[in-house]
Amino acid sequence: DADVTQTPRNRITKTGKRIMLECSQTKGHDRMYWYRQDPGLGLRLIYYSFDVKDINKGEISDGYSVSRQAQAKFSLSLESAIPNQTALYFCATSDPRDSDIYNEQFFGPGTRLTVL
Amino acid sequence: RKEVEQDPGPFNVPEGATVAFNCTYSNSASQSFFWYRQDCRKEPKLLMSVYSSGNEDGRFTAQLNRASQYISLLIRDSKLSDSATYLCAVLGIMTTDSWGKLQFGAGTQVVVTP
Repeated sequence: DADVTQTPRNRITKTGKRIMLECSQTKGHDRMYWYRQDPGLGLRLIYYSFDVKDINKGEISDGYSVSRQAQAKFSLSLESAIPNQTALYFCATSDPRDSDIYNEQFFGPGTRLTVL
Repeated sequence: RKEVEQDPGPFNVPEGATVAFNCTYSNSASQSFFWYRQDCRKEPKLLMSVYSSGNEDGRFTAQLNRASQYISLLIRDSKLSDSATYLCAVLGIMTTDSWGKLQFGAGTQVVVTP
């Protein structure tokens, strides 16, 4: 079984709809991240959480919100989806007990979201 | 200017050949550097960390040039299975706010041909 899972894997929705993307992990990591990936732009950080009580904005948080329901779960919401939020969304985790300098991030399989 | 920049490629490489490409970063205080591999429509996976002295893992060699602010990845004896997009990632300034946050490049596509 995958250590980091994301649901749904694919979603097509309409402008103005509320969408929730979910991420679960069994790695026991405290740190979780949400990224979006667009062609030519690479991975950009939306939100991150270093533990259950900690939520931080990344570089492109506008139009998104998150919820860290438990150590293992980190959800991303689009309150009112718009077409330029069409992208591939990745959840990732990392273990702060690892060296911070060589801190590997583990990614989920991604959610492909299309907003019409 | 992007903080982390890569040549998008594609680098078309005959099987068995060597290919090398760079990634430049703008923040001179960057602490750590990584290469991730991403197959088409899949998640990125860590290929190797880049140490100050450079490091080698089988056919893959990573180098860091702090003076010119770039890292490089060299693949020797390329295999068809090496075809992928290679993302570089840079860890920022070692402040509480920046720990664990990576800046990713947009990736370099490598296509190994028979």
